[in-house]
Amino acid sequence: DGGITQSPKYLFRKEGQNVTLSCEQNLNHDAMYWYRQDPGQGLRLIYYSQIVNDFQKGDIAEGYSVSREKKESFPLTVTSAQKNPTAFYLCASSPGLHNEQFFGPGTRLTVL
Amino acid sequence: QKEVEQDPGPLSVPEGAIVSLNCTYSNSAFQYFMWYRQYSRKGPELLMYTYSSGNKEDGRFTAQVDKSSKYISLFIRDSQPSDSATYLCAHLAGAGSYQLTFGKGTKLSVIP
Repeated sequence: DGGITQSPKYLFRKEGQNVTLSCEQNLNHDAMYWYRQDPGQGLRLIYYSQIVNDFQKGDIAEGYSVSREKKESFPLTVTSAQKNPTAFYLCASSPGLHNEQFFGPGTRLTVL
Repeated sequence: QKEVEQDPGPLSVPEGAIVSLNCTYSNSAFQYFMWYRQYSRKGPELLMYTYSSGNKEDGRFTAQVDKSSKYISLFIRDSQPSDSATYLCAHLAGAGSYQLTFGKGTKLSVIP
């Protein structure tokens, strides 16, 4: 059963802590993405990766980091430098250039 | 000027009605157009993907693109309560761009 999985579904973090959100896909897609969704703001791109060992900053990369060591995995670390990290985080993938993007179920991060 | 404008709603219709959802965009580089459906606290689900002006139909859903007017629409026929969700339009520029630009979404309620 192909798809994109994200874990955990809910995550609570204390201020000053780094946390890592997991994203895995078994669709054999080359490109992967991380978005952040806030109420009334729509989806905003954090980072994207076209191929393994390569990634690019999106519109709001400050306070976040990523890695792409395997084709199927694209973890996102929310660092303590991110000033307002409470949000719904969505991972997506696409086959490649000019293709539609498919989304995972999301991780809701709350900073206490 | 925002790149993608989408009426946030909320839009309430009776069951069985025809629903029209719309987006306008300003960037003439946009070549690929998508509509996503997002249920509360879930990841967006791809409904339609098109790259040419005109209509594309899939079951009860029809996507319409008018590149000359920079206007896209999604029509839902015989709307059902299960169609109640937020609908997001998304646009992708050509020439190697991976970055989707999203509208903020229209919240639709279909009343039984």
